[in-house]
Amino acid sequence: GAVVSQHPSRVICKSGTSVKIECRSLDFQATTMFWYRQFPKKSLMLMATSNEGSKATYEQGVEKDKFLINHASLTLSTLTVTSAHPEDSSFYICSALTKETQYFGPGTRLLVL
Amino acid sequence: GNSVTQMEGPVTLSEEAFLTINCTYTATGYPSLFWYVQYPGEGLQLLLKATKADDKGSNKGFEATYRKETTSFHLEKGSVQVSDSAVYFCALSDRDGNKLVFGAGTILRVKS
Repeated sequence: GAVVSQHPSRVICKSGTSVKIECRSLDFQATTMFWYRQFPKKSLMLMATSNEGSKATYEQGVEKDKFLINHASLTLSTLTVTSAHPEDSSFYICSALTKETQYFGPGTRLLVL
Repeated sequence: GNSVTQMEGPVTLSEEAFLTINCTYTATGYPSLFWYVQYPGEGLQLLLKATKADDKGSNKGFEATYRKETTSFHLEKGSVQVSDSAVYFCALSDRDGNKLVFGAGTILRVKS
């Protein structure tokens, strides 16, 4: 149990376009989901906390207008990287909270050309 | 604020060797403690957890004991395999599971 999926697993886009990443909890409902960013050989950096039915809470230094988060249902949260630039290239990982434990998705590798 | 410190890697071991990855933490209150494992190109998988002092988490031959007196949660395995090669993250959270704080991660390489 406690499986989280992400789609797509890998995406390449042109600079200036927007990219949407989906995070789904497959066998449980999650009121709260989290979005992280991981740089090569580094630990995870929390970007924002996504709460179903309300606005996301962003960490300091994360631009809310650039990284749009929508948590429209108890099993789906989306992260949209708007007007992507090469510096947004990274590994994005989501997690979903259940029973006081976060379960992580497999990650999405974004490459902006 | 809360923080987690892990031993620096990479840790390189031969198959069947004993593994210890040290983890210490600083936190207010009584956090929950976790070990996550990340295989190359993948997301994080929960390996084990402990929610109160003296609890022992275990999974797949790995163990870690929540030591409040030494604020530690060291990861151990008696006999590692090549398939255990991955990055291991120690983490803590508040009692609700929110606000995970990660250590820097320790790369483990197991050679046959």
